[in-house]
Amino acid sequence: NAGVTQTPKFQVLKTGQSMTLQCAQDMNHNSMYWYRQDPGMGLRLIYYSASEGTTDKGEVPNGYNVSRLNKREFSLRLESAAPSQTSVYFCASSVGLAANTGELFFGEGSRLTVL
Amino acid sequence: EDQVTQSPEALRLQEGESSSLNCSYTVSGLRGLFWYRQDPGKGPEFLFTLYSAGEEKEKERLKATLTKKESFLHITAPKPEDSATYLCAVQGVSGSARQLTFGSGTQLTVLP
Repeated sequence: NAGVTQTPKFQVLKTGQSMTLQCAQDMNHNSMYWYRQDPGMGLRLIYYSASEGTTDKGEVPNGYNVSRLNKREFSLRLESAAPSQTSVYFCASSVGLAANTGELFFGEGSRLTVL
Repeated sequence: EDQVTQSPEALRLQEGESSSLNCSYTVSGLRGLFWYRQDPGKGPEFLFTLYSAGEEKEKERLKATLTKKESFLHITAPKPEDSATYLCAVQGVSGSARQLTFGSGTQLTVLP
C-alpha cells in the first residue's frame, strides 16, 4: 500500500534555482495539501487543492506555485529558491476537506536545503 | 487567529511510567481537535479526532481527552515503541475550512 508518495526525498539547491516537488496518492482522495515543517514550529499549510481542477492558497504561499495535474497528483514548484525555503515539505491527502474529520494522510517528506 | 501550544517540548519516561502530554488551544469556536504521531524522518500519522468537551478516545496505551481550553494525551505504561513526536492540531469555526492549525509537538522518548 503506497499511500502518499513524494519525490525527491532529498534535494540541495542553490539560491535562485528552481525545482518541483512531486506528490501522488493512490487512495482516490479528493483533497491534497502541501505543508512545510520547520524546527520549533508547527506544520504550516502552503497550498491545498480541495478537488481536481482547483487550488487555493494556505498560510504561507509566497514563493511557491502548485499544479493539480489530475486526481492523483499534486506538485509544488519553487521558481526561484531562497534560503528561507530550507525546510521539510510534506504532501498530504484526505477524502474530503481536512476540517471535516481532521484525518490527513501524509507522505514521508521531502527535505530541501537551499544554499 | 487559532493558536495551539503543546507542553512539554520534550519528555523522557522510563518504560511503564505513565504520563500526560498537554495541548492548550485558543479558537473562536472549536470545530475539531486532532492528535497525530510523527516518527523521525516520517510524515505524521493520524491518531484521534475530538469534537466536544468531555469527549474521550482511546487506542492501545493512548487516551485523548478534551476540555474547553485544552486536550491531554495520556500514555499508560508506555513502551519504547511509543517514542515519537506527538502533534496536536485544531480547526476553529471561524477559520478557513481548509486549514488545521498545528502545534510544534511534544517529543516523547521512552527508555527501556
